[in-house]
Amino acid sequence: GESVGLHLPTLSVQEGDNSIINCAYSNSASDYFIWYKQESGKGPQFIIDIRSNMDKRQGQRVTVLLNKTVKHLSLQIAATQPGDSAVYFCAEAISGGYNKLIFGAGTRLAVHP
Amino acid sequence: GAVVSQHPSRVICKSGTSVKIECRSLDFQATTMFWYRQFPKQSLMLMATSNEGSKATYEQGVEKDKFLINHASLTLSTLTVTSAHPEDSSFYICSAKRTGANYGYTFGSGTRLTVV
Repeated sequence: GESVGLHLPTLSVQEGDNSIINCAYSNSASDYFIWYKQESGKGPQFIIDIRSNMDKRQGQRVTVLLNKTVKHLSLQIAATQPGDSAVYFCAEAISGGYNKLIFGAGTRLAVHP
Repeated sequence: GAVVSQHPSRVICKSGTSVKIECRSLDFQATTMFWYRQFPKQSLMLMATSNEGSKATYEQGVEKDKFLINHASLTLSTLTVTSAHPEDSSFYICSAKRTGANYGYTFGSGTRLTVV
């Protein structure tokens, strides 16, 4: 199967700080991107999405930035809380066919009080 | 709305036996479902795309005779791991895409398979 990388880096932040999680995607044909949060033993939970015709989208405490020139996505979490501790994945939808969703390598976010 | 039920959540089986995992969309129709496998501390790897009424499309390197996929209705896809071996132990996750939608992926809660 496809995947972007097999490593799981960790980002450690203090409670209340802002977090920035980065992701590089691989396919120029991708036109839709999603950030997911995954807690241990559970399925991915949708956080925020963005289409390729946008470069920024904001949600509640979260912002996604898309740079198509360098195929880069970032997820910004404001005022990070202990409940934000989890693994975060970006995913790209490959346009055409069944629009299959391919996941990036993931980043573990550890929030310390 | 948009709930996907995956069953069982955990299963332990003996080496050489087969295990079936079910993925159901509870409140919407899903022509297309996806099956992923996730090893510890790794990302979700797409195994196959399941399509109602037709054969599944497998990703490169995934053995279709080992991982049998059946998508017999618009709300149910099943993944059967045949002749399971310890190296098949993993977390299997399904995702369903609402019929007619380009996107809109709803994930199941995953199945932890342990082969002993």
